[in-house]
Parts: sequence; structure tokens; C-alpha cells
Amino acid sequence: EDKVVQSPLSLVVHEGDTVTLNCSYEVTNFRSLLWYKQEKKAPTFLFMLTSSGIEKKSGRLSSILDKKELSSILNITATQTGDSAIYLCAVAVNDYKLSFGAGTTVTVRA
Amino acid sequence: DADVTQTPRNRITKTGKRIMLECSQTKGHDRMYWYRQDPGLGLRLIYYSFDVKDINKGEISDGYSVSRQAQAKFSLSLESAIPNQTALYFCATSDSGTIHNEQFFGPGTRLTVL
Repeated sequence: EDKVVQSPLSLVVHEGDTVTLNCSYEVTNFRSLLWYKQEKKAPTFLFMLTSSGIEKKSGRLSSILDKKELSSILNITATQTGDSAIYLCAVAVNDYKLSFGAGTTVTVRA
Repeated sequence: DADVTQTPRNRITKTGKRIMLECSQTKGHDRMYWYRQDPGLGLRLIYYSFDVKDINKGEISDGYSVSRQAQAKFSLSLESAIPNQTALYFCATSDSGTIHNEQFFGPGTRLTVL
């Protein structure tokens, strides 16, 4: 059975802090790892990491895939209140199935 | 306009009632999915469809049925709703032409079964 585990489950930080979120996986077949941000509505896509693209960066967000350790981290620097959300990690195990972690709830206080 | 839309956005119903949740997309994607999200459990796949004539059960299909009326429309039905079907339901789409299965989500339907 495919398993994706995210940690921590939740955290509270203050504006300007740096946040590191973890995602580890045990899956039958790894194709890619995806990060989504979920505010009050739909999960929105952040990054996709593959064997050929193990590091991605967009503004204050960055992510690294460690295929040896079967894990990924998502970093958010200089956090803002707008970064408050649930961050979801998912692993694509074939061309249609995503196995999701339970998510990490990030709260950024002003 | 949103690429993936869901109706209704919120619904409260009673045990035993039949409920239909609808999803439409303008992304031109061939694949569509229904997920439910429960606190602490992440998103779990209920049904998925590769095209109008190809519908498949996901990991938690019991108590649910689906209909793919057109490439752009995929509806989820609860034939006889029960309280443990209270959850946030998401529709998603993807393009079979992509290798890595990036999925795009609708805004969700919050369903409460009393």
C-alpha cells in the first residue's frame, strides 16, 4: 500500500520566520512528487519534482526531492500571513493516481 | 472564470437522501476525478474517469456512484447518504498527454449529512 506522510501536522509561526515542511513516502512506483497549497478553496499547484528535476524555486518557496531518502522538503522563507494554508504533498505512482499525505497546516501570525 | 467548477458549494442533507454533486471543466482535459477530504486523512480517491466510456473505482467507492455525461462533466452521486459521508468533496482534472499527472482541482463541495 502506498504511503505518504507529512510532518509536522501543524505549526504556528510569526511573520518573517522560515518554515520547513517534510514529506516522506513509501510507494510501489514513483513518478513524481507534487506540492499543493490549499487555502479555503481548491488545492492549487505549487511544484512538481521528478528524478530529472529535484529542486524547484519560486519566489520565497523552494522544494527539494531526496530520492535516496524518499522524502521532500518545502521551504517558505520570510513568511507572510498570506502563506497561512494547508500544504499538501502527493506522489504520482502512475499516470492517473496521486497518493496524498494528510497535509501540514501552517498558521502565520502578524 | 474558473477552469473547474463544482455545484453546489455547500449542502446539508439528511440520512437516506439521494445527493448529486456536479463538476464541469473548461480545461479540455480528458481525465476527471472525485476525491473526498477528511481531517487528518488527506484526499482519497473515490472514482476516476479516463474518458466518457471509461470509469473506474478508486480506493473508497462504496456508497458512491458516478456519471460522465460528457468530456467536460462528471457527477458524483450518493444514493442514500449516511453521516460518515460528511466531508469536503473535490473534483479534479488532468490531461492524459502529460507524464506526471498534474491534477487541477475545483473549489470543493462541503457536504454535511445529518
